[in-house]
Amino acid sequence: EIVLTQSPGTLSLSPGERATLSCRGSQSVSSSNLAWYQQKPGQAPRLLIYGASSRATGIPERFSGSGSGTDFTLTISRLEPEDFAVYYCQQYGSSPFSFGPGTTVGIK
Amino acid sequence: EVQLVESGGGLVKPGGSLRLSCATSGFTFSSYSMNWVRQAPGKGLEWVSSISAGGSFIYEADSVKGRFTISRDSAKNSLYLQMNSLRAEDTAVYYCARGGTSDWSFGYWGQGTLVTVSS
Repeated sequence: EIVLTQSPGTLSLSPGERATLSCRGSQSVSSSNLAWYQQKPGQAPRLLIYGASSRATGIPERFSGSGSGTDFTLTISRLEPEDFAVYYCQQYGSSPFSFGPGTTVGIK
Repeated sequence: EVQLVESGGGLVKPGGSLRLSCATSGFTFSSYSMNWVRQAPGKGLEWVSSISAGGSFIYEADSVKGRFTISRDSAKNSLYLQMNSLRAEDTAVYYCARGGTSDWSFGYWGQGTLVTVSS
């Protein structure tokens, strides 16, 4: 079973700043089957990145994903007001398809 | 437009059963893997179960193995989750999510249905 850890737990930033979120697996994630999701209060999660670095349909270019093996990163180049939310990584290369605990990006 | 609509949630006593449904539209249901994910109040996301496009492959979290069963009906474009022997710790919002054809990331999500297990 692959356990995902995310850091930091909380990130306090201002609009316009760069956000760097980390996701680390206890084992290598096969074929870079790593996704990132955004969730706002009272809403369902939204897929941002799949395959570690591919943006999902309709996702702005300010969101980018990178990494392989056990270490992955989600970068938001310039935070917009609507980007303040909780972000989860997930590996779907091997069952159980685990999620990380999440990183909250809050307004400073 | 892809749509996923969950139903069947509610209040149930410990040890009871519930069947969740996810009605889908806007895509060829039989071509996509499907999934259930839950979120306990104030907590993070927890993957529950997944089923391949043709239904041949099923994956389940250890926390629900032997109690929950995922299934799908292509004639009705619907996904199901039969939940038996429910426990208080199963209390959560349950989301239905569509996977991909070659990539299993969860590209579309329903709005969720709340299951509360309490006496």
